[in-house]
Amino acid sequence: NAGVTQTPKFQVLKTGQSMTLQCAQDMNHNSMYWYRQDPGMGLRLIYYSASEGTTDKGEVPNGYNVSRLNKREFSLRLESAAPSQTSVYFCAIGGQREKLFFGSGTQLSVL
Amino acid sequence: QKEVEQNSGPLSVPEGAIASLNCTYSDRGSQSFFWYRQYSGKSPELIMSIYSNGDKEDGRFTAQLNKASQYVSLLIRDSQPSDSATYLCAVISSGSARQLTFGSGTQLTVLP
Repeated sequence: NAGVTQTPKFQVLKTGQSMTLQCAQDMNHNSMYWYRQDPGMGLRLIYYSASEGTTDKGEVPNGYNVSRLNKREFSLRLESAAPSQTSVYFCAIGGQREKLFFGSGTQLSVL
Repeated sequence: QKEVEQNSGPLSVPEGAIASLNCTYSDRGSQSFFWYRQYSGKSPELIMSIYSNGDKEDGRFTAQLNKASQYVSLLIRDSQPSDSATYLCAVISSGSARQLTFGSGTQLTVLP
């Protein structure tokens, strides 16, 4: 997953706690994405950013916020975690013709 | 109605056989189609992209696209145990502004 760095790799939260997932890229691509993956449901888009300073909602944005402060970094914040947000989260960057390159993922458990 | 449908499997094939994975999509205006491979506990990785009707070959992999019938398939020739993974179909629908919609994946097991 060289080129897309995600932190942390694992996290356990209690209901109501907040946290931020970080994603950084060194591939100089404009598009960045946050997906969640749940068993049997494939990857679902939470938010994406077509370029620095812009963000848009995806399929499942409720309960999340994002920030694209510069071209390299795109963060995902859970303000008040809920058990329904237990999932594996992937950051991705969009290359030529929207070929995605994924980070290594964050396994999040909300108790 | 889910926009991208895949048979979840599991699909088992013997080593050396051809594995055939299928995907259908609902938006007739879709233009870009992708196959990703995901090993257990790992992140998805792109293995094929296809944009026009017909076949596209890359080594042991062949992607087939039929826009009239709204399906895209992936053939893996001479399947190896190392091909055992979940295969995700992804589509960029018309008007979706770069948003990929993923199917739920097909789990493939290649038996030695």
